[in-house]
Amino acid sequence: NAGVMQNPRHLVRRRGQEARLRCSPMKGHSHVYWYRQLPEEGLKFMVYLQKENIIDESGMPKERFSAEFPKEGPSILRIQQVVRGDSAAYFCASSPPPLGSKGAKNIQYFGAGTRLSVL
Amino acid sequence: KQEVTQIPAALSVPEGENLVLNCSFTDSAIYNLQWFRQDPGKGLTSLLLIQSSQREQTSGRLNASLDKSSGRSTLYIAASQPGDSATYLCAVNAGGTSYGKLTFGQGTILTVHP
Repeated sequence: NAGVMQNPRHLVRRRGQEARLRCSPMKGHSHVYWYRQLPEEGLKFMVYLQKENIIDESGMPKERFSAEFPKEGPSILRIQQVVRGDSAAYFCASSPPPLGSKGAKNIQYFGAGTRLSVL
Repeated sequence: KQEVTQIPAALSVPEGENLVLNCSFTDSAIYNLQWFRQDPGKGLTSLLLIQSSQREQTSGRLNASLDKSSGRSTLYIAASQPGDSATYLCAVNAGGTSYGKLTFGQGTILTVHP
């Protein structure tokens, strides 16, 4: 069972370009989460998605950032008109659906991350 | 707003020592707490998850405890080895409307030297 796959592992963009980060969840997982790790800072939640549905986007910047998780294919985190401050490691995690209130767990399995550098 | 703090920020120990990493959180109404390790330039590996109704979880040389009322968790590593060197992260899932959103501490950088 392959783990969470993220690509590319490294991405270099010039200011003003678009960045697209992809995440394929583990087999059987229908929930995807995106986190950002800025240099010298901790991991910060960005967005939580199910197939074709955004559940919680409270951590997403208001402008230039969007995320989707279509019925088919990987989840995409899209950053338009990148700026130097977007340089960071972006991690994706996935989990199976909640099992219900009794015995429910939300173990999130993380990918290796995409390291975005904006020149 | 949930805040998670980890102490110490860094720890260097000789091989074979038993050690304790600490995690505290400000809002005790949590759903679960998860401990991860992160190796340089790599992703996160889940070590242990403790549900809010549990007091501890064990896996091999690792033991994690949870005291929800005082807002604390500890990760105990027995007989440390150089391969344990990594950053250890504590993350809290608040549940409810924040279900799925993990709030992370800044991490403890552990170095185990031979």
